[in-house]
Amino acid sequence: AQSVTQLDSHVSVSEGTPVLLRCNYSSSYSPSLFWYVQHPNKGLQLLLKYTSAATLVKGINGFEAEFKKSETSFHLTKPSAHMSDAAEYFCVVSDERGSTLGRLYFGRGTQLTVWP
Amino acid sequence: DTAVSQTPKYLVTQMGNDKSIKCEQNLGHDTMYWYKQDSKKFLKIMFSYNNKELIINETVPNRFSPKSPDKAHLNLHINSLELGDSAVYFCASSLSLHSGANVLTFGAGSRLTVL
Repeated sequence: AQSVTQLDSHVSVSEGTPVLLRCNYSSSYSPSLFWYVQHPNKGLQLLLKYTSAATLVKGINGFEAEFKKSETSFHLTKPSAHMSDAAEYFCVVSDERGSTLGRLYFGRGTQLTVWP
Repeated sequence: DTAVSQTPKYLVTQMGNDKSIKCEQNLGHDTMYWYKQDSKKFLKIMFSYNNKELIINETVPNRFSPKSPDKAHLNLHINSLELGDSAVYFCASSLSLHSGANVLTFGAGSRLTVL
C-alpha cells in the first residue's frame, strides 16, 4: 500500500535561511513522487516530480528534492527562503501498478511560514 | 486562458439542499478528477474519469454524483447536503490515466459551506 508521511505540520524560517520540508513514503512498487505547493485560496501547483530518473530533482522557484530509496525519503529543500515561499506544501506518491493505477496519495501538508 | 476552471468559487447553502459544481479543462487531457480538501487541508480523491468513463470511485456517499458529458468536463452534483460536506472541492486533470508520471493540473477550488 502507498502512503506518505510529512514529518512536520508547520515549519518556520527566516527569510534568506535554508528550507527543509521532510517527507517519507511507503510504496509497494517503484513510486513516482511529487511536491505540490498551495498558496492561500489557490489551487495546487506542481513544484517538482521524481519518476525514476536522476535522484536529485530540481523544480521551480529554486526548490529541489532528493529521492533516497534506502531511507524512503523525498525531502524538499531550498537554499534561501523568500517571503513568497510561504504556503502549504504537499508531498505526493503514486504508483503505476494494479488497481491503484491513476491514484495519488497526498501527505497531510506542511505549512511553511517565512519571517522577514 | 485558465487551464482548469471551476464554478462557482464559493458556495454557501443550507443543509438538505442540492448543489452542483462545474469543471472544465482546455488542456486536451483525457483524465479528470475531483478531490476534497477538508478543514485540516487533507486532500483525498473522490472520483476520476478517463474519456468520460468512471475509473476511480472512492468510498464517497452516493449523494455525490459526478457526470462527465465529454472529456473536457466533469461536474459534481451533491444531493441532500450535510454539514460534513463543507470543504474545498478541487477539480484536476492529467494527460492520461497513467498519472504515475503525469502531472495533475488543479483548478482553483470551490469552497462549499453548508449551514
